[in-house]
Amino acid sequence: GIQVEQSPPDLILQEGANSTLRCNFSDSVNNLQWFHQNPWGQLINLFYIPSGTKQNGRLSATTVATERYSLLYISSSQTTDSGVYFCAVPNSGGYQKVTFGIGTKLQVIP
Amino acid sequence: DGGITQSPKYLFRKEGQNVTLSCEQNLNHDAMYWYRQDPGQGLRLIYYSQIVNDFQKGDIAEGYSVSREKKESFPLTVTSAQKNPTAFYLCASSISPGQRSYEQYFGPGTRLTVT
Repeated sequence: GIQVEQSPPDLILQEGANSTLRCNFSDSVNNLQWFHQNPWGQLINLFYIPSGTKQNGRLSATTVATERYSLLYISSSQTTDSGVYFCAVPNSGGYQKVTFGIGTKLQVIP
Repeated sequence: DGGITQSPKYLFRKEGQNVTLSCEQNLNHDAMYWYRQDPGQGLRLIYYSQIVNDFQKGDIAEGYSVSREKKESFPLTVTSAQKNPTAFYLCASSISPGQRSYEQYFGPGTRLTVT
């Protein structure tokens, strides 16, 4: 099946700093999602981004499907950004099944 | 408000007992999923259902069972055959399986502890 790698695994930021999280995948995909898992475990949809760039406030995401990667940008980080960020891509041959990366754990300190 | 509800939030059971986790959605989504998350890990697919009265095994189905009698509901039973059931369980749903796209939405999860 498709392999998903996220980097870095852990990240500590000072409040106000910017960061870039990366998601690499081993096969071509026609969909990709980014999620934020807050400290209570809730998975929050950030972006559904099969290709191109999207922005939502301080967050933006870019997917380059032909090169098999996606980037999540967080600008002017806040303590509420802390948590784990996951990307997820569909399994080849089964567009309703997805594979998750193991995530990037972000801690934003005041 | 449309969304996905899971109950209970925390569940404690003795080893050897079966336990059923509830998942309900009012998003009118056809597809529903159950995932398991262990500490420091990503999500692994247990079962999924694309339509009422039909479901398929995911990557780690052994020791689990599901039913899909209603579009809104997809309960998961953790049986005594599951060797390591303590984990965080997440339910998700997505729009019609007939479309070549997906966007999954998640419930708040159930933390199961078996001792």
